[in-house]
Amino acid sequence: AQTVTQSQPEMSVQEAETVTLSCTYDTSESDYYLFWYKQPPSRQMILVIRQEAYKQQNATENRFSVNFQKAAKSFSLKISDSQLGDAAMYFCAYRSQPIIQGAQKLVFGQGTRLTINP
Amino acid sequence: ETGVTQTPRHLVMGMTNKKSLKCEQHLGHNAMYWYKQSAKKPLELMFVYNFKEQTENNSVPSRFSPECPNSSHLFLHLHTLQPEDSALYLCASSPQQGSLEETQYFGPGTRLLVL
Repeated sequence: AQTVTQSQPEMSVQEAETVTLSCTYDTSESDYYLFWYKQPPSRQMILVIRQEAYKQQNATENRFSVNFQKAAKSFSLKISDSQLGDAAMYFCAYRSQPIIQGAQKLVFGQGTRLTINP
Repeated sequence: ETGVTQTPRHLVMGMTNKKSLKCEQHLGHNAMYWYKQSAKKPLELMFVYNFKEQTENNSVPSRFSPECPNSSHLFLHLHTLQPEDSALYLCASSPQQGSLEETQYFGPGTRLLVL
């Protein structure tokens, strides 16, 4: 079974600076998808960024980018120019490549609470 | 606003009560999910529905009973719950379970407290 580990329960960063959140995962599959979700105090889980394992190029979404190291099974999230609105729980998630029959699940890490200091 | 709504947002119930959680998605998706989020634990997938058919029951106790009357609505019927069932229950939807472009969009959750 796949597992996702976020080793940093809490992180903090000064506003306008850059922070990197770590995520590692364990899988025997070669094709899969990785996600970062953000959950602010409102509790709404919001997709931040997505990475397909078959793509070597790291995904980027405005101030958010990932460092995907497939061999190391590492998927870190970099937030540049941090803003107060970035404060939230961040969850890393793994998903197997789609299959026609059967369940397809997101496996989540434990989350990292990010605080932005003004 | 992700296009997935959940009601109620907060619910307090006794162990002998029967209540239902409702989820509605306005995205034209065909797959819907229930997750449980407890303090200091990763999100746990409970149920998956694809085109109204249940495709996953992740060993959930029978005191939780899901219902999916159509692709836009998903219910979670609760009866004789235990205090340890207190948690945030999140609903999600995606275009179609098994599609390459599947990304799950989450509702705001229902905060449940069982007394």
